[in-house]
Amino acid sequence: QTVVTQEPSLTVSPGGTVTLTCASSTGAVTSDYYPNWFQQKPGQAPTALIYSTSNKHSWTPARFSGSLLGGKAALTLSGVLPEDEAEYYCLLYYGGAQVFGGGTQLTVL
Amino acid sequence: QVQLVESGGGVVQPGRSLRLSCAASGFTFSNSGMHWVRQAPGKGLEWVAVTWYDGSNKKYADSVKGRFTISRDNSKNTLYLQMNSLRAEDTAVYYCARGLNSGGWSGMDVWGQGTTVTVSS
Repeated sequence: QTVVTQEPSLTVSPGGTVTLTCASSTGAVTSDYYPNWFQQKPGQAPTALIYSTSNKHSWTPARFSGSLLGGKAALTLSGVLPEDEAEYYCLLYYGGAQVFGGGTQLTVL
Repeated sequence: QVQLVESGGGVVQPGRSLRLSCAASGFTFSNSGMHWVRQAPGKGLEWVAVTWYDGSNKKYADSVKGRFTISRDNSKNTLYLQMNSLRAEDTAVYYCARGLNSGGWSGMDVWGQGTTVTVSS
C-alpha cells in the first residue's frame, strides 16, 4: 500500500517563509508523479494551488510556489499572511491511481 | 463560471447502495477527466476514483474497488458514483473534482462543495 507522507503540523510567523514537503513510500518523488497541492480551510471544499510540481492556477497567489526538494515535492509559502492558516494536502499520481498525503496543518502565529 | 454541484448524499444502512451525482456547468464536460474524492469526519482527503473524458478508462482506490463504480453521461454533463455494499467507514463528505486533462491523471482544479454520506444502522 502506497503511503504519501506530509508533516502533520507546522507553525510560521506572519511575513515568514515556510516549506511543506510530500514524500512517497515508493521512493523519490519526481515530476512523473505530477505533484499537486491543495489548501483547505475549515468547513470549506479544498482549493487547488499547484499542479505538475510547480505550475500555478490562475487564482493561486504569487507567494505560493512548488518544487522538488531532496526527493520530495515541496510547497513554499513566502511572506505568509494570517489567511494562509489552513490544512494543506499534496496529491501524487501512481500510474492511474492517485494518493493524497495526510495533510499539514499550518498555523500562522 | 465553472461549477460542480454534488447531490444524492444521505443516511443509508450498512450493506445498502447509494448513487451520487455531480452536475457540471461552465466548461466542456466531455473534454475533462473527472474525479471523486472523499473526506471522513475529522480526517484527511482520500482519492476515490477517476474516469477519463469519454468513460473509456476508470481507476479506483483499493478501499472501494469492486464496490464503487464511477460513470458519466456526457449528454447530461453529469458524473456519477454508484456505491454498493456500503460500510461505516464509507461515511464521508464526497467531492467531485475536474481533472486537469482528458484523463485526469495530472491532478484536479475545480471542486464541488460536496455531499455528505452517512452509513449507519
